[in-house]
Amino acid sequence: AQTVTQSQPEMSVQEAETVTLSCTYDTSENNYYLFWYKQPPSRQMILVIRQEAYKQQNATENRFSVNFQKAAKSFSLKISDSQLGDTAMYFCALSNNNDMRFGAGTRLTVKP
Amino acid sequence: GAVVSQHPSRVICKSGTSVKIECRSLDFQATTMFWYRQFPKQSLMLMATSNEGSKATYEQGVEKDKFLINHASLTLSTLTVTSAHPEDSSFYICSASEFRGPSPETQYFGPGTRLLVL
Repeated sequence: AQTVTQSQPEMSVQEAETVTLSCTYDTSENNYYLFWYKQPPSRQMILVIRQEAYKQQNATENRFSVNFQKAAKSFSLKISDSQLGDTAMYFCALSNNNDMRFGAGTRLTVKP
Repeated sequence: GAVVSQHPSRVICKSGTSVKIECRSLDFQATTMFWYRQFPKQSLMLMATSNEGSKATYEQGVEKDKFLINHASLTLSTLTVTSAHPEDSSFYICSASEFRGPSPETQYFGPGTRLLVL
């Protein structure tokens, strides 16, 4: 069974600062994909970043980057230069063979 | 690219009636579509997975006769909540993925449907 754990129910950060959201997972598979999705108050799920487990290089998308530690089964998200529009629920997810499992989410608030 | 639409965005119905929700992939062929349910302040709970032209695979505890899923084409899946009751009130979200596309295993989500059963 695949499980995803997000141990930070809520976090806050000052605008323009950097914040890191934690995620750990468990799987017996060797090939899988990891994701961070953002769900703002509109409740639209938006893909933030994607990492393929067989790639050692950490994925980056503009202000968003991940720290992927395969051996430790850790997949944290770093948001640099936080903006007010980054306020949202953030879900970490793991997918293998189209079976995607989500963490419980972290509610991030960016303060002006 | 990778846009998924979902209609209606909000529906209110009387107890005992059926409600159909449509999910469409607008610019890609969705080999697999997924239906989730989300309660307030909770994560997404997978209800079922459907491949085009095949019967849906339901998660344990989800009544397949109550939540009818049809995936008749590579761009359309529907979820019908039959004989809806107040406990079926929730936020339903669909997603789609393209198995042989440039980003396999990535699910693209619709905007969701808020169902309220009176």
